[in-house]
Amino acid sequence: QKEVEQNSGPLSVPEGAIASLNCTYSDRVSQSFFWYRQYSGKSPELIMSIYSNGDKEDGRFTAQLNKASQYVSLLIRDSQPSDSATYLCAVNTDNFNKFYFGSGTKLNVKP
Amino acid sequence: KAGVTQTPRYLIKTRGQQVTLSCSPISGHRSVSWYQQTPGQGLQFLFEYFSETQRNKGNFPGRFSGRQFSNSRSEMNVSTLELGDSALYLCASSSDGSSGNTIYFGEGSWLTVV
Repeated sequence: QKEVEQNSGPLSVPEGAIASLNCTYSDRVSQSFFWYRQYSGKSPELIMSIYSNGDKEDGRFTAQLNKASQYVSLLIRDSQPSDSATYLCAVNTDNFNKFYFGSGTKLNVKP
Repeated sequence: KAGVTQTPRYLIKTRGQQVTLSCSPISGHRSVSWYQQTPGQGLQFLFEYFSETQRNKGNFPGRFSGRQFSNSRSEMNVSTLELGDSALYLCASSSDGSSGNTIYFGEGSWLTVV
């Protein structure tokens, strides 16, 4: 069983719409949760981290965490073509910097 | 503040050879971790170093090894290269390495084994 699961997509949304990306994890002791964005041929870059249940907003991005359901999501409001990338969900199970990554969801934002 | 620097960026090696990749973390960061990214397996943890000590190791064969120097710079080595080792190797650094710390990736080293 994979530790972190994501729908591989592609997820296609029109420009200006809300993109919703989802992630589930298997280890209940997971403490820290992260979303990274990776453009084709580039390395992952951090978008957001979240540690507590609830929502965390940063500009157009909102991360949501539900530890009881072992579920993390990322909402992107007013999606732009420049948001087209693969979004990676990462989980840290309190084992220092050993992160488990999902396989990523490819997002296409159509102009 | 400079980011994570990895060298070389691109390299081609022949099966059976060995390769050494280098990583300089963000200034002040003491934890360095290494990941392998392939289309089939995604991002997989290789190992993590903090203060010159390996604290964690992923499920990779012993051909994959690493070390960290006193200035926090790190190297990883892959011996007896196989075709399946072709991948993007990513180095990531974080400040004190405690649980919950954010890791920041370098641009990666693209390794092709022929």
